[in-house]
Order: sequence, then structure tokens, then C-alpha cells
Amino acid sequence: AQTVTQSQPEMSVQEAETVTLSCTYDTSENNYYLFWYKQPPSRQMILVIRQEAYKQQNATENRFSVNFQKAAKSFSLKISDSQLGDTAMYFCAFMNPSWGYQKVTFGTGTKLQVIP
Amino acid sequence: EPEVTQTPSHQVTQMGQEVILRCVPISNHLYFYWYRQILGQKVEFLVSFYNNEISEKSEIFDDQFSVERPDGSNFTLKIRSTKLEDSAMYFCASSSGSGAGELFFGEGSRLTVL
Repeated sequence: AQTVTQSQPEMSVQEAETVTLSCTYDTSENNYYLFWYKQPPSRQMILVIRQEAYKQQNATENRFSVNFQKAAKSFSLKISDSQLGDTAMYFCAFMNPSWGYQKVTFGTGTKLQVIP
Repeated sequence: EPEVTQTPSHQVTQMGQEVILRCVPISNHLYFYWYRQILGQKVEFLVSFYNNEISEKSEIFDDQFSVERPDGSNFTLKIRSTKLEDSAMYFCASSSGSGAGELFFGEGSRLTVL
């Protein structure tokens, strides 16, 4: 079974600074997807960034980037130039793609507070 | 931009009562899901639904739970006889199933069982 672990329940960062959220996972699969989802207060979860396990290059989306270490089964999220709108719960997630359905396993989340 | 919508946003019910949570997935999506999040805990998979049948369910999804797509647009989760431990935020999600892996979530329905 796949498990996803986020060891930081809460973090804070000063506006404009950089913060890194940690995530580790456990799987015996070789092909899978990893995600970071963001859940602002009272809002729906939205996808921040996605990484395919077969790609060695780390994914980047504007101020968001990941450090994907496949051998170490680590998938951290770096947020650069933090903005107040980045305040949210961040969930690391894992998916083993199989035709027909896509079950996603989530971590427990990291609550990020951006301080003005 | 298309989005997943859920109703109600919050429902309070007595233990033992039936509850139906409703979702309207994104119109051209083929895969539908229910997840739940007990306060302070991780988001947990409940069930996935494709081609008008359940494709996978977790051990949480016991006989008290059922899902239905009654009219081609709504996707419902029914809890037949609610228990205190069913209190949680329930998220509906949908995906196109193209293999890209992105789920689109609704804002959630908070269920409180008294």
C-alpha cells in the first residue's frame, strides 16, 4: 500500500521569503504521479504542481517548484517569493495510474501561514 | 472556468438519519470520486465511479454508503444511517481520465452528526 507522510503540521513564512514543505512517500511501484494540492480556507483543493516519476527533471510552475528525489522517495515543495494568498493547507499526494480509475492517496497536510 | 459544485455546504443531522450529499461534476469528465476529511486528519479516499458503476472503494465505504448518478449530471453520496464518526468534510471530485492524474475538487460538504 502507498503511504504519504508530511511531517510538518504547520509552518509559517514571511511574505516574499522562501519556504519548503516536506513530503515522503512509500511505494513499490516504479511508475506513478506525485502532486501538491493547495486548499485555501473554506475553498476547494486545487492542483499546484504535478511530477511524473519517470521524469528526472523537477517540475516548476511559476513560484512553485519541487525537489523530487526518487531513490529517497522524497517530494518537497518550494514556494518562492511567498504571497499572502499562499496561506492555505498544502497536501502532498500520490497516484498510481491505472486505466479506468485514479485513486489518490493524500498526506495529512501542512498548514502554511504567510505573515505580512 | 468549469468547476465541481457541491450541496449542501453544511448539514447537521441526528445519528441514525439518512443523508444525501450532492455533487455536479465537470460536464465532460468521466470519473467521479468521493473523499472525506475528518477534522485534523488526512483526506481519505472513499469511492470512485465510472461508467455508472463503482470502480473502486475503500474499507471505509461500507454498506451504509452508496453512490449514484441518477440523471447524468448529479453524483450523489448517500449515508443510510449516520454515525457520530461520519462527521467530516466530504469532497466530491471528478477527472477526465486522460491519464494526467488531475482531480478537480468541489468545495466540500461539511457533515455534522449529533
